Amino acid sequence: DAGVIQSPRHEVTEMGQEVTLRCKPISGHNSLFWYRQTMMRGLELLIYFNNNVPIDDSGMPEDRFSAKMPNASFSTLKIQPSEPRDSAVYFCASSSRRDSYNEQFFGPGTRLTVL
Amino acid sequence: AQKVTQAQTEISVVEKEDVTLDCVYETRDTTYYLFWYKQPPSGELVFLIRRNSFDEQNEISGRYSWNFQKSTSSFNFTITASQVVDSAVYFCALSGTGANNLFFGTGTRLTVIP
Repeated sequence: DAGVIQSPRHEVTEMGQEVTLRCKPISGHNSLFWYRQTMMRGLELLIYFNNNVPIDDSGMPEDRFSAKMPNASFSTLKIQPSEPRDSAVYFCASSSRRDSYNEQFFGPGTRLTVL
Repeated sequence: AQKVTQAQTEISVVEKEDVTLDCVYETRDTTYYLFWYKQPPSGELVFLIRRNSFDEQNEISGRYSWNFQKSTSSFNFTITASQVVDSAVYFCALSGTGANNLFFGTGTRLTVIP
């Protein structure tokens, strides 16, 4: 079975541009998570969905960030407008149960560089 | 509030040595779950183990073993006879009752020297 798929793997953009990161969770998983990893802040949860519904977006840093999950097999994280401090690795993860018991499986990440 | 502390930022060992990675957690939940993930140089996060708060039995998987002690709020990870392929950043994480987001520690970078 394919794991979590993220695209693009690398993104370089200029400040002010819109960036869209994409994620396809593991088939059958009903929870999806977006994380950001930086040297300064480590791994931090941005938002997560259960059954396509956003449950907790308290980690979304600003209104410039938005996430959607239009169906069970696809999610996007959008940054508009992007800023250099958004440079990070963005991970998508999915899990198969609503509660905290099951482990999350991570995608390979998208390395975003904002110039 | 949930918190995970990995006090060891970096560890270097010579191949075949044993090494223990420390993890201390804080939570007010009575039911919670602890995890270890490995992040090799390629960057992906690989799940290693999950442990729930009601199961303090230690676990061994090949060269890996985990020691969970509620009395000290610790969930330590030992690699026996380390290998170069074990070189990675290792993260300990915590998930509380009714929530399935993970709180990660800051990670421990392990370097195994051949």
